[in-house]
This record gives sequence, C-alpha cells and structure tokens, in this order.
Amino acid sequence: DTGVSQDPRHKITKRGQNVTFRCDPISEHNRLYWYRQTLGQGPEFLTYFQNEAQLEKSRLLSDRFSAERPKGSFSTLEIQRTEQGDSAMYLCASSLEAEAFFGQGTRLTVV
Amino acid sequence: GIQVEQSPPDLILQEGANSTLRCNFSDSVNNLQWFHQNPWGQLINLFYIPSGTKQNGRLSATTVATERYSLLYISSSQTTDSGVYFCAAGTYKYIFGTGTRLKVLA
Repeated sequence: DTGVSQDPRHKITKRGQNVTFRCDPISEHNRLYWYRQTLGQGPEFLTYFQNEAQLEKSRLLSDRFSAERPKGSFSTLEIQRTEQGDSAMYLCASSLEAEAFFGQGTRLTVV
Repeated sequence: GIQVEQSPPDLILQEGANSTLRCNFSDSVNNLQWFHQNPWGQLINLFYIPSGTKQNGRLSATTVATERYSLLYISSSQTTDSGVYFCAAGTYKYIFGTGTRLKVLA
C-alpha cells in the first residue's frame, strides 16, 4: 500500500465551473477526512466519514460543497460554482482508529 | 470545540542548535500528532503521541495530557529540518494549530 492518494494534484479552473477531487485512502482504514488549507494557515476540518457514513460536516462546507464515500472506499469532494475564495489546498486523510495519514493534497486555483 | 495553539509562530536557528516547539490544547483529547509539512504541502507524520514520550533520531516528543500540552524537541538541527511543524489534536477528528515556521541556517 502506497498510502493516501489524491487526484488531481493541481487543478486550475475558471470561476463558476464545477470541480471534483478524488481521494483513495489506505485500504483497511475506515475513517476518512477532508481538510482545506489556505496560505499561512493550518489545515481546517471540512468533513468526516466512518465507512460510507458522513458523520460530520463543518460550517465551512457550504451548500456548494458535497462529499461522498460510496461503499466506504474512495471519496470524492465536489465544489459547484467555484469562487476565487475556494482557492486552497484540499487535503484528504485516513485512519483506522487513531493515527491519521494524509495524502499529497490537491491544489485548487480559481481564476 | 477544541482549540490548539502553537508557539513560537516563527523560529530561526543556526545549524546544530536545539529547539523546543510547544502545543497547547484546550480540552481532553484522545489523539495528538506532530507533522512536518514539506515544501510541496504534504503533511509528514512525525509522532502519534496522545501521552508519554517518544524519540525518533534527533526528534523527540512529550505529551502531558493532564496539563494539556505537548512538546516537540529538535536536536542538532539541520537545514533539511526547515519548514512548518503542525500539532493536531482531537477525539475522532483532528484540529490543527497554526504551525511553527522553522528556518535553519547553514
């Protein structure tokens, strides 16, 4: 197992377009997290799955954001009608019960 | 919710110096990790340490859960230690501090 994998690594999109990111967690991990990180800040929690159930969504996750984890395996994060303020690094992490492991992130630039 | 504070925010060292980074958290936690963020943005796991002391080479960490703080020690610093160090703590999810930006000068 090569760890948590995220795709794409970089995405440049025009304002108003929809984007979708994918995260493949470590295979036996039941917990999956999405975070967002802007320049100079620490990662901020967005949402959390245990298996296929989305158990918590942050207030940061507006109605334009949706995340899924079908069958408790990979996860997708979709942003609809992107805004310039959505430009950030989107990080995915997975864990079994305790220690979390992060992917390399998807850097989104909205122009 | 849990709040995590890190100090100092910035640190500049000469190569070979030692340093201590601190993480305070506002409530009881089950999980605590230290990460080093590389220049490409990936978070590299340093320690999973909800309590006690661990060492890995020149790095060691101590968490005193009853007093709600954790310390990361870097000894004999090298230029490759430069970067941002994050503490993250929580129960089922991690809350991150704002990081300590370390620069080690040759």
